[in-house]
Amino acid sequence: EAQVTQNPRYLITVTGKKLTVTCSQNMNHEYMSWYRQDPGLGLRQIYYSMNVEVTDKGDVPEGYKVSRKEKRNFPLILESPSPNQTSLYFCASRRAGGVAYEQYFGPGTRLTVT
Amino acid sequence: GEDVEQSLFLSVREGDSSVINCTYTDSSSTYLYWYKQEPGAGLQLLTYIFSNMDMKQDQRLTVLLNKKDKHLSLRIADTQTGDSAIYFCAETNPTDKLIFGTGTRLQVFP
Repeated sequence: EAQVTQNPRYLITVTGKKLTVTCSQNMNHEYMSWYRQDPGLGLRQIYYSMNVEVTDKGDVPEGYKVSRKEKRNFPLILESPSPNQTSLYFCASRRAGGVAYEQYFGPGTRLTVT
Repeated sequence: GEDVEQSLFLSVREGDSSVINCTYTDSSSTYLYWYKQEPGAGLQLLTYIFSNMDMKQDQRLTVLLNKKDKHLSLRIADTQTGDSAIYFCAETNPTDKLIFGTGTRLQVFP
């Protein structure tokens, strides 16, 4: 089954404790991205990657890092989480040259930073 | 810049029609989308419309696009309790970047 998986699905952590949210897709997609969803703001793109070792900032990249060492994985790293990063996070993927309606979304990771 | 706006809440009675509205600012939009997010779940693509169309119908869903006014709407006929969710409007520009609206929470009551 074609899917995007994220782990963990729920995470409560404390300010300053580094964490990584993993994202993996099994469709051999080149393009992957991370979004955060906040009430009244919709989804905003954090980072995206066009292919292995190619990443770029989205609209709200501050406080986040990503890496793309393998095609299937695109982890989101919070080196020093702060309470304003409490949010619902979505990973997504699609093939290069595909259009947005072909994009697959993961199930989401709800992060709380205290 | 690109901006997509929606009203935050809509409440309807079961069996009535729901109309969720969206306005956008980017005149170079290529596609416009409606996504559904059920409680505790991820995003599900409901439907999309190409920017040179003005209407698309898919079973209970009707999408209307007024390109002149940059207004998109989603009509759900015979709304059911299972339609209760957050609905996001989104657009893509020529670089195929997805821009999401703020989301409309639809509540269906019996």
